[in-house]
Amino acid sequence: ILNVEQSPQSLHVQEGDSTNFTCSFPSSNFYALHWYRWETAKSPEALFVMTLNGDEKKKGRISATLNTKEGYSYLYIKGSQPEDSATYLCASLNSGGGADGLTFGKGTHLIIQP
Amino acid sequence: DTEVTQTPKHLVMGMTNKKSLKCEQHMGHRAMYWYKQKAKKPPELMFVYSYEKLSINESVPSRFSPECPNSSLLNLHLHALQPEDSALYLCASSQGEVYANYGYTFGSGTRLTVV
Repeated sequence: ILNVEQSPQSLHVQEGDSTNFTCSFPSSNFYALHWYRWETAKSPEALFVMTLNGDEKKKGRISATLNTKEGYSYLYIKGSQPEDSATYLCASLNSGGGADGLTFGKGTHLIIQP
Repeated sequence: DTEVTQTPKHLVMGMTNKKSLKCEQHMGHRAMYWYKQKAKKPPELMFVYSYEKLSINESVPSRFSPECPNSSLLNLHLHALQPEDSALYLCASSQGEVYANYGYTFGSGTRLTVV
């Protein structure tokens, strides 16, 4: 059984501040790490797919890094805006021996306060 | 069309009922997935279809029966469910093989309540 852990579970951030949160995942048989943003009453939306150790991806004010050797990824949001309020899910894709689809963490629930 | 469409959005069913959840995509994606999410838990993988063939069944009880009639459509047939099966059922699709480096496209889910 794969365990993907995210911290913190929830986070309140003042508008304009920057923030970051963590995803830890099994490093054995690692294939890819996904990040999704899930707004209430909408579908989860893919932000990043990362596969290589040291990978760093950016989309506007949001960026993510990946360390496959130690099994963690960080998501950074610069200059938070109210529209960034959502649950951010990370998911690990590992090959062989068990769950071969994405294994999700519980998510970090981000609330941006005006 | 860049969406995954799930119907119905909400479903209430009795424990003796038979119902089906439907998922449709027209993006040419060849991998499709069913996930189940209960409150305050992560989405859990149930089934994976790759090129219309069932490739993964995560030890899901037989009261859940998936079907992939064609490359655009994925069904989940429900029969004799239990109240603990009440959850949000999410469908997703992705381009190419299961291990391809593409994000999944999710539907907005079916909220199922078993009474």
